[in-house]
Amino acid sequence: GAVVSQHPSRVICKSGTSVKIECRSLDFQATTMFWYRQFPKQSLMLMATSNEGSKATYEQGVEKDKFLINHASLTLSTLTVTSAHPEDSSFYICSARYLTSGRGDTQYFGPGTRLTVL
Amino acid sequence: KNQVEQSPQSLIILEGKNCTLQCNYTVSPFSNLRWYKQDTGRGPVSLTIMTFSENTKSNGRYTATLDADTKQSSLHITASQLSDSASYICVVLYGGGYNKLIFGAGTRLAVHP
Repeated sequence: GAVVSQHPSRVICKSGTSVKIECRSLDFQATTMFWYRQFPKQSLMLMATSNEGSKATYEQGVEKDKFLINHASLTLSTLTVTSAHPEDSSFYICSARYLTSGRGDTQYFGPGTRLTVL
Repeated sequence: KNQVEQSPQSLIILEGKNCTLQCNYTVSPFSNLRWYKQDTGRGPVSLTIMTFSENTKSNGRYTATLDADTKQSSLHITASQLSDSASYICVVLYGGGYNKLIFGAGTRLAVHP
């Protein structure tokens, strides 16, 4: 099946610093990738849709200047959390859209990145 | 409002037993429904995906059903194993052209020896 990787898997940073998270589709090209965040015991919440070669589309309430998304190639999207604060501590998960014949599209999820801001 | 509701919120069963998780949705238009398994601290992994014309889909010990008329789905786990302990998330793909997934809150399953 399609494989999506994320790097790093865990990151701890000081308040005020910026953190970059990478999402890669390893064996397929993804014109669209998605970024989610998940708080403990809650389900995934879509933050933004990342389209290769164009600007990301952010969900309501998500600050685009704080969560910078770049989708420079068909296999790589990055999420940069700028000037991170403790409330940004969360589990960030990306997914890549994979088109299958006869079933429309499906999304394959990365393993997630645990961000802890001190 | 497009929503996906799951029940129960959490469930504890003994190893070897069967269980069924429920999912009700109000998403319209509907494109497909997926069940994902999410281990703690990991990303979701797809178990099944069904379109409106499919009533049942199996993946090993996991069997999903879909009733598009009543907008209900279930995930049945047979002969549970300790490794089945995870959150199971029902997700509906919104068919309105935005490729948007609507997530349920998940059912947290704990399988005890």
